[in-house]
Amino acid sequence: EAGVAQSPRYKIIEKRQSVAFWCNPISGHATLYWYQQILGQGPKLLIQFQNNGVVDDSQLPKDRFSAERLKGVDSTLKIQPAKLEDSAVYLCASSLTGEDTEAFFGQGTRLTVV
Amino acid sequence: GESVGLHLPTLSVQEGDNSIINCAYSNSASDYFIWYKQESGKGPQFIIDIRSNMDKRQGQRVTVLLNKTVKHLSLQIAATQPGDSAVYFCAENRGAGSYQLTFGKGTKLSVIP
Repeated sequence: EAGVAQSPRYKIIEKRQSVAFWCNPISGHATLYWYQQILGQGPKLLIQFQNNGVVDDSQLPKDRFSAERLKGVDSTLKIQPAKLEDSAVYLCASSLTGEDTEAFFGQGTRLTVV
Repeated sequence: GESVGLHLPTLSVQEGDNSIINCAYSNSASDYFIWYKQESGKGPQFIIDIRSNMDKRQGQRVTVLLNKTVKHLSLQIAATQPGDSAVYFCAENRGAGSYQLTFGKGTKLSVIP
C-alpha cells in the first residue's frame, strides 16, 4: 500500500520568503496531521484535519503559517514570511479515522531558512 | 508545563544484547502512550502502544512497561540488531480518542556490531 507522500523533500529559502509544502495522505484516510520537528527534538503537532475541516490548530503560528485541505484529500502547509527559527522538518501524517487508529507518517520536508 | 521527556539522549549497546529506553511523563491524566522509531531521513514509525489500564504489553522483540505511580515508561528491545539503530521517541496522546501526540525529545540508540 502506498504511504504518505510529501514534497518537496528539501527546500532552502531566505528569511522573509514564502514556502509551501504538499502532502498526499494514504487513500481513504480521513484524518491528516502536520507536525514540525526541529533538529534534536520530537515532532510537535501544528494542525489536525478531519476530512476538510480543522479539528485543532491551537499550536499553529497563524500570523505566518496557514494550512488547507480543500477537498478532504491533499493538504498544503504554507509559511509566509519565513523566519530562521522555522528551519525544521515538516511531517505529514494520516490516520483512518483519527480515533484510536494508528497514524502513518511521511518522510517529511526538510526546510532550511537562511 | 506538562511534558514528555527522556532520561538519556544516547544509548550504545552490543549487537545481541537487550536495550532499555526510558521515558518520564508529567501529565498524570495521560491515558495512552506510544513508542516510535525514527531512522535518519524518515518519518516516525509506530512500534508499540499501551493504555493506562495496562502495565505491560509485548510485541515482536519489544516490550513496553508502564509505571503510573512514578509516571515512567520504558521500551525494551530484545536481542538488539543493527537495524534497530535509530532515534526512539515516546509520545502521549492527549486528545480524547485522537492522535494528537506530544512527543519527547528522543533517545538515539546505536548498535555496536
